[in-house]
Amino acid sequence: GAVVSQHPSWVICKSGTSVKIECRSLDFQATTMFWYRQFPKQSLMLMATSNEGSKATYEQGVEKDKFLINHASLTLSTLTVTSAHPEDSSFYICSAGGQGWEQYFGPGTRLTVT
Amino acid sequence: QKEVEQDPGPLSVPEGAIVSLNCTYSNSAFQYFMWYRQYSRKGPELLMYTYSSGNKEDGRFTAQVDKSSKYISLFIRDSQPSDSATYLCAMMDSGYSTLTFGKGTMLLVSP
Repeated sequence: GAVVSQHPSWVICKSGTSVKIECRSLDFQATTMFWYRQFPKQSLMLMATSNEGSKATYEQGVEKDKFLINHASLTLSTLTVTSAHPEDSSFYICSAGGQGWEQYFGPGTRLTVT
Repeated sequence: QKEVEQDPGPLSVPEGAIVSLNCTYSNSAFQYFMWYRQYSRKGPELLMYTYSSGNKEDGRFTAQVDKSSKYISLFIRDSQPSDSATYLCAMMDSGYSTLTFGKGTMLLVSP
């Protein structure tokens, strides 16, 4: 099956700093990439959808200036959490989609803001 | 009312038991129904998907969709300790739009 990687798998940062998370599709070209956030014992909540070369579409309630998404190529998307605060601590998961309906999920990145 | 409802559990069963996991939904536009398995601190992996109503079987797993009742189920036969994970249902409309997830049910299979 298609493989999606995320880096880093775990990051700790201080409040007020920014952190970048990378999502890569390793063996296919992803026309669309999705970013989700998952709090403990909660479901995956879609944050934004991005198509290569276009601006991301953010879900209601997600601050686009705080969560910067760049989808510069068909194999790479990045999520930057700017001016992170402890309430941004969460599990961030990306997924990548090709031509059909299926999304292939990355292993997730655990962000802890101290 | 949330679009997708799923009992978070945990559901504890002994090894070898038959497990039944369920979700209800309210959006009649949903056409694709998926079950994902998620191990702790990992990304979800697709177990099964079904288009519209009906049953689908894959080894020890059976997925059922009843669109008239807006109810989907995942059955696991001969459950194993390695099946211990969180199982998330997810749904999508026919436009290949976004996935809507349930909260996930934590399953614990004891040896």
